[in-house]
Amino acid sequence: AQSVTQLGSHVSVSEGALVLLRCNYSSSVPPYLFWYVQYPNQGLQLLLKYTSAATLVKGINGFEAEFKKSETSFHLTKPSAHMSDAAEYFCAVSVPGNQFYFGTGTSLTVIP
Amino acid sequence: KAGVTQTPRYLIKTRGQQVTLSCSPISGHRSVSWYQQTPGQGLQFLFEYFSETQRNKGNFPGRFSGRQFSNSRSEMNVSTLELGDSALYLCASSLVPGDTTDTQYFGPGTRLTVL
Repeated sequence: AQSVTQLGSHVSVSEGALVLLRCNYSSSVPPYLFWYVQYPNQGLQLLLKYTSAATLVKGINGFEAEFKKSETSFHLTKPSAHMSDAAEYFCAVSVPGNQFYFGTGTSLTVIP
Repeated sequence: KAGVTQTPRYLIKTRGQQVTLSCSPISGHRSVSWYQQTPGQGLQFLFEYFSETQRNKGNFPGRFSGRQFSNSRSEMNVSTLELGDSALYLCASSLVPGDTTDTQYFGPGTRLTVL
């Protein structure tokens, strides 16, 4: 079975500071990993995904994530936070042919 | 290409009623999944349909059901509504389940309020 743990339900950063959102996964087989972002009153939008190619994955809006098998982690980072990055972020894991498992989400606040 | 569409966007019902939500996937996508999102529970998987067949089912009571039509559009139904069913219901579509580039694309959701 697969599962995802997002450490920190709320993260606050200053505008221009580094954004680091943590995600650890559990999977008995090589997983696919995803980060999604949700803005208020909207659905989820795909930020980036890892599907066993390069371990450093670049996504939209300047976000990137690194797959670390030894640490079973897939943390999301952005070098410089922008006010528009304030949103809810979800990490998800899946294996081919199976359902997605989502973390409980991390709410990012950007302080001007 | 148009994205995933969900109708209606907002619904208000009373306890005991039933409700039907609709989802139209991205053109060409054949897999549709449904999720319930609440502040306390996060995103909970309801079920997934592919080629009109339910492939996976989450841990929800039988009051929650769904179906998929030959054009890949999907509906979910909740009968005998309870206050706890108030949530954002999200639909996601993907090309083909199990494909190596399988990615779920989400609709804007239907906000259901049960009074």
